[in-house]
Amino acid sequence: SYELTQPPSVSVSPGQTARITCSGNELPRHYTYWYQQKPGQAPLLVIYKDTERPSGIPERFSGSSSGTTATLTISGVQAEDEADYYCQSADSSGPSVIFGGGTKLTVL
Amino acid sequence: QVQLQESGPGLVTPSETLSLTCSVSGVSINNSPYYWGWIRQSPGKGLEWIANIHYSGRTFYNPSLRSRVTISVDTSQNQFSLILTSVAATDTAVYFCAREVVPADIPGVYNWFDPWGQGILVTVSS
Repeated sequence: SYELTQPPSVSVSPGQTARITCSGNELPRHYTYWYQQKPGQAPLLVIYKDTERPSGIPERFSGSSSGTTATLTISGVQAEDEADYYCQSADSSGPSVIFGGGTKLTVL
Repeated sequence: QVQLQESGPGLVTPSETLSLTCSVSGVSINNSPYYWGWIRQSPGKGLEWIANIHYSGRTFYNPSLRSRVTISVDTSQNQFSLILTSVAATDTAVYFCAREVVPADIPGVYNWFDPWGQGILVTVSS
């Protein structure tokens, strides 16, 4: 079955740039979306349509996509950005929604 | 603003049926372009999509859960619901409801979820 693959963890120091990748064979055909989830909270949309940022999301969050890999970039990471991040896209065979396994971002 | 709120039992007996409702405020489910969905998260695990529905009745299901899941909408109450049959311990999870935003040029199930409800923990145990 189709899967989206994310690294389990990424660690960065405050002020550095964090890059979280999401890989999947169908990503060239469908948009990627990114969510931030803090403990005990619901996921929060931070990027939609590969690169678009919802209102209220800080400019340090950006997204890109090339071939079979989408990337969430957080520039100038802050302590408050420590959270789990999930990518989401579509599986054409369903069609159905599919999520990546999640990446835990640790701010050192 | 748009808000979603899940409701239902916090404890379900194995082999029984789980029923959850999502109440929507701030937007009418009826006559809107959105889909409405359920997503769950097992303790310490990732997100798993369950199903989406449009007010017209059009539905999409996760193939791995399709045989046990029914999603429905009640436009008069501005709610949508989830039924999961023959539950087991592996169905223990936080269940979220969410709105799928559907642009004019992209069909349902291919889009993002925003906003989400706060989630409801459902434990399957005897």
